[in-house]
Amino acid sequence: EAQVTQNPRYLITVTGKKLTVTCSQNMNHEYMSWYRQDPGLGLRQIYYSMNVEVTDKGDVPEGYKVSRKEKRNFPLILESPSPNQTSLYFCASSPSGNPWTQYFGPGTRLTVL
Amino acid sequence: GQQVMQIPQYQHVQEGEDFTTYCNSSTTLSNIQWYKQRPGGHPVFLIQLVKSGEVKKQKRLTFQFGEAKKNSSLHITATQTTDVGTYFCAGLAGGTSYGKLTFGQGTILTVHP
Repeated sequence: EAQVTQNPRYLITVTGKKLTVTCSQNMNHEYMSWYRQDPGLGLRQIYYSMNVEVTDKGDVPEGYKVSRKEKRNFPLILESPSPNQTSLYFCASSPSGNPWTQYFGPGTRLTVL
Repeated sequence: GQQVMQIPQYQHVQEGEDFTTYCNSSTTLSNIQWYKQRPGGHPVFLIQLVKSGEVKKQKRLTFQFGEAKKNSSLHITATQTTDVGTYFCAGLAGGTSYGKLTFGQGTILTVHP
């Protein structure tokens, strides 16, 4: 089944404890992206990747890191999480032929205490 | 940076009434996409508009892209309870920011039977 998977789906952590949210797609998509969703603010792009080893900042990259070593994986790293990073996070991927038909993962709800 | 404003934030309708949501970008877009998110779910791609003045229809849904490629609308005719959810537009930047997607804040649609 074609899908985007994220792990974990739920995470409660404490300020300053490094964490990684994994994202994987099995559709051979070039484009991948991370978003955070907060009430009243819609979805805001954190980072995106046009292809392997190519990443760019979205609108809210501060406090986050990403890497794209393989086509299928695009992990989101929070080196020192803070409470203002409490949010719902979505990973998405798009096919190369029509790169803006994004398929979203199920989301990761992160709480930073 | 690029901003995408979406109105209204909320819309309550009786089943059978029409519904429209509007998006306006501060800059000219390469394309605009529309997504639907059901409560508790992830965004699902609806459509992409690329050409100036483009109009596309999907059953009861009509999508328009403005002549200047800075505004767009989604119109639903004769709403049904299955239309409930949040509708987002997302504008794709061009030039050196190609790949950067900016979402509107979304319109939450409630349909009363």
